[in-house]
Amino acid sequence: AQTVTQSQPEMSVQEAETVTLSCTYDTSESNYYLFWYKQPPSRQMILVIRQEAYKQQNATENRFSVNFQKAAKSFSLKISDSQLGDTAMYFCAFIYNTGNQFYFGTGTSLTVIP
Amino acid sequence: EAGVAQSPRYKIIEKRQSVAFWCNPISGHATLYWYQQILGQGPKLLIQFQNNGVVDDSQLPKDRFSAERLKGVDSTLKIQPAKLEDSAVYLCASSWYNYEQYFGPGTRLTVT
Repeated sequence: AQTVTQSQPEMSVQEAETVTLSCTYDTSESNYYLFWYKQPPSRQMILVIRQEAYKQQNATENRFSVNFQKAAKSFSLKISDSQLGDTAMYFCAFIYNTGNQFYFGTGTSLTVIP
Repeated sequence: EAGVAQSPRYKIIEKRQSVAFWCNPISGHATLYWYQQILGQGPKLLIQFQNNGVVDDSQLPKDRFSAERLKGVDSTLKIQPAKLEDSAVYLCASSWYNYEQYFGPGTRLTVT
């Protein structure tokens, strides 16, 4: 069975500092996609960043970057220069490139402290 | 580009009543998903449509939940009769490919 594990239920970071959220996954396949989604309080889920497994280069989107370690099945999210608006639940998700279903982790609640 | 629309945003019902949720995906998106998100948990897929056909409904409690997607566009999710444990946020998402999903704002259901 495919699983996505986020081992940090809650994290906090000072405004302007850097924080890393962890995610590991389990699969025997080699072709898949990984995502980080952000869900602010009472607001809708939005895509933060996406990584194709066949790409060795880590994806980057402005202040958000990932550390993708395929052999270790690890996909962590780094948020640089944290802002108050980054306060949200962050979900790691996985899908095969030929698959249908997204597999979500249980989420990490991030609080940015002023 | 308009996003995924859902209505209503909030609904409170008593147990054993019925309720229906509506979703309008992003124009042109062939795949539509319904998720149940219980407080403090990640989304759980209930059903996935490709156009107007069901791709996966393995986690849909079919004794009380039903869903349809008319003409491959809008979709409705119904619960009848509702139970207390159905209290959750129901998320609709759509995608063009089976990759990036775009989520709607969700419907928060409270069953009393």
